[in-house]
Amino acid sequence: QQQVKQSPQSLIVQKGGISIINCAYENTAFDYFPWYQQFPGKGPALLIAIRPDVSEKKEGRFTISFNKSAKQFSLHIMDSQPGDSATYFCAASMNTGFQKLVFGTGTRLLVSP
Amino acid sequence: DAGVTQSPTHLIKTRGQQVTLRCSPKSGHDTVSWYQQALGQGPQFIFQYYEEEERQRGNFPDRFSGHQFPNYSSELNVNALLLGDSALYLCASSLGTGYNTEAFFGQGTRLTVV
Repeated sequence: QQQVKQSPQSLIVQKGGISIINCAYENTAFDYFPWYQQFPGKGPALLIAIRPDVSEKKEGRFTISFNKSAKQFSLHIMDSQPGDSATYFCAASMNTGFQKLVFGTGTRLLVSP
Repeated sequence: DAGVTQSPTHLIKTRGQQVTLRCSPKSGHDTVSWYQQALGQGPQFIFQYYEEEERQRGNFPDRFSGHQFPNYSSELNVNALLLGDSALYLCASSLGTGYNTEAFFGQGTRLTVV
């Protein structure tokens, strides 16, 4: 099963709050899990990525938590800012020698001032 | 550094026509992948080009074809356009084909089929 399920579909968070987006997968061959941020009219941009041998990775206000046994991973945005308002996609890729990203359906985040 | 550039930005075509979309990768990148992003959905992998050959293909019909040139730029061709082909087409470039290399996306070409 080459799907990545993402939730919620949309999210409203107050400025300064924590935004949490969750993703789940079935295929244990997935070995690389990036998160992308997309603003309207722009292409996706890589935010942060993790491998399954790491349970957590933090870059600035962005943290990925990874639960290998549950086949779930999540993005936490700490101290959310209005400039974080965008659509966020989780993705996964298998170690097949070539990159083929499988994307979730996206989460539209709105951070209210 | 101009990053990944795609042209045109918008395009309107009639059902049954053919279309060619173009992509120039980020400077120094040698691998180009194409994705289709339907409205409100995540991007779906079409195919990847490396060393001027198609290396991997997603679940798309043969109406979708591509090409990579010696300067690493790439084209995506879609024949016999269907209304369902209306989408944002994204080009991503990377250095090498590794599954965990960083992919840089262009701003996309918005194709509307009427």
